[in-house]
Amino acid sequence: DAGVTQSPTHLIKTRGQQVTLRCSPKSGHDTVSWYQQALGQGPQFIFQYYEEEERQRGNFPDRFSGHQFPNYSSELNVNALLLGDSALYLCASSSGGGSYEQYFGPGTRLTVT
Amino acid sequence: QKEVEQDPGPLSVPEGAIVSLNCTYSNSAFQYFMWYRQYSRKGPELLMYTYSSGNKEDGRFTAQVDKSSKYISLFIRDSQPSDSATYLCAMKMTTDSWGKLQFGAGTQVVVTP
Repeated sequence: DAGVTQSPTHLIKTRGQQVTLRCSPKSGHDTVSWYQQALGQGPQFIFQYYEEEERQRGNFPDRFSGHQFPNYSSELNVNALLLGDSALYLCASSSGGGSYEQYFGPGTRLTVT
Repeated sequence: QKEVEQDPGPLSVPEGAIVSLNCTYSNSAFQYFMWYRQYSRKGPELLMYTYSSGNKEDGRFTAQVDKSSKYISLFIRDSQPSDSATYLCAMKMTTDSWGKLQFGAGTQVVVTP
C-alpha cells in the first residue's frame, strides 16, 4: 500500500521564479492538505483541498495556490518566489475532508536563492 | 503568544530511560490532539491521536490530555537510540469543519546508548 508521495524531492529556484510541487495521497484518501515547515519550526497550514475545491486556507498570501485533480492528487504553486519561501513543503492526506488523522509525505525541500 | 507552545529542547536521555514530552495550548476549542515523530529531513509520522481528555497507550507510547490545564503529554518508555527524532504535537479544533492542524515547534530528543 503506497503511502503519500511527493515530487520532486529537492528543488532550487531563483527569487521571482514560479514553482509547482506535486502530491499523490495515500490509497483510499480523498483529501490533501499542504503545510510549510521552516527550519526548526513546526509545519504551518497552507490550505486543504477536498472534492477538487480549496476548503480552508491558512495565513498565506495569494502567491500560494493549488489544485486537486479528479484522482485526488494535488499541486501546490508558488509564484514570485521570495527568499523566505525556502522551506520543506509537506503534503498530508486524509479521508473525508475534516479528519484530524493526517498522514504526511516525505516533503519537497525548496531552496530559493 | 502562539496557540501551541512546545519546548524545542534538545532533550537528551540515556537508553532505557523514560522520555517525557509536553505541549501547552491556549484555545479551549482544541479537542483533537496528535503526536508526530519526524526524523531529520523526513516527513512527520503520525504516532498517536486522542480526542478530548484522558490517556491512550500504544506499546511503549502513552499520550495524556489534561484539558483543565490545557496541557498534553507524550511518554516513551524504555527509550531506544532509534527514538532519537523531533517530536511534534498537533491539535485541531472542533469548531473547525475542515482539517487545519496547528503544530508546536517540535522537541528534539536524543537517546544516547
